[in-house]
Amino acid sequence: SQTIHQWPATLVQPVGSPLSLECTVEGTSNPNLYWYRQAAGRGLQLLFYSVGIGQISSEVPQNLSASRPQDRQFILSSKKLLLSDSGFYLCAWSVGPPGQKYEQYFGPGTRLTVT
Amino acid sequence: AQRVTQPEKLLSVFKGAPVELKCNYSYSGSPELFWYVQYSRQRLQLLLRHISRESIKGFTADLNKGETSFHLKKPFAQEEDSAMYYCALSVRDSNYQLIWGAGTKLIIKP
Repeated sequence: SQTIHQWPATLVQPVGSPLSLECTVEGTSNPNLYWYRQAAGRGLQLLFYSVGIGQISSEVPQNLSASRPQDRQFILSSKKLLLSDSGFYLCAWSVGPPGQKYEQYFGPGTRLTVT
Repeated sequence: AQRVTQPEKLLSVFKGAPVELKCNYSYSGSPELFWYVQYSRQRLQLLLRHISRESIKGFTADLNKGETSFHLKKPFAQEEDSAMYYCALSVRDSNYQLIWGAGTKLIIKP
């Protein structure tokens, strides 16, 4: 069966420090991968998605970036964190076309606090 | 533009009462809609998809294309239903993205 892992679970970083959050998926090939930020009362904000290795689409301009170095690995990065980057970050995967399944499956999330 | 609206940020009902979580969407094509749920300290997970016409944990949701709605209903709320609920819309020309509502926090009072 498919599983999705995220780490770390929690992270406290000072302003201006770099960031690297990792997400890996097991049990499936060529998944679509997503990074979301979940803010209280504001729902899910899609940050990046990827349909294949090296293919990244950005939804929101910001100081974050994403990379997909391997088929089932998705990394969220920043060179210098801002206070506003604090939040709960979710990784998700889905199976791509031409099937009927568009639902997404989510990882446990990473709670990032920038101090 | 495609959009999903969940008008209630917070919904509080007593145990045993009926529950209806509202979801309205804006999309000119044929929609695929989902309800996701996030229980406290658990990961976000799929609850229902409209194409399956299923009932999960006593919840049902009917797609009303005339009213562009996909409300989530349960006749008798239980305390374990307390959670955050998100409605999401999948559109075929969206590069596999889901368009999310802002979510409704459901609190079931004992």
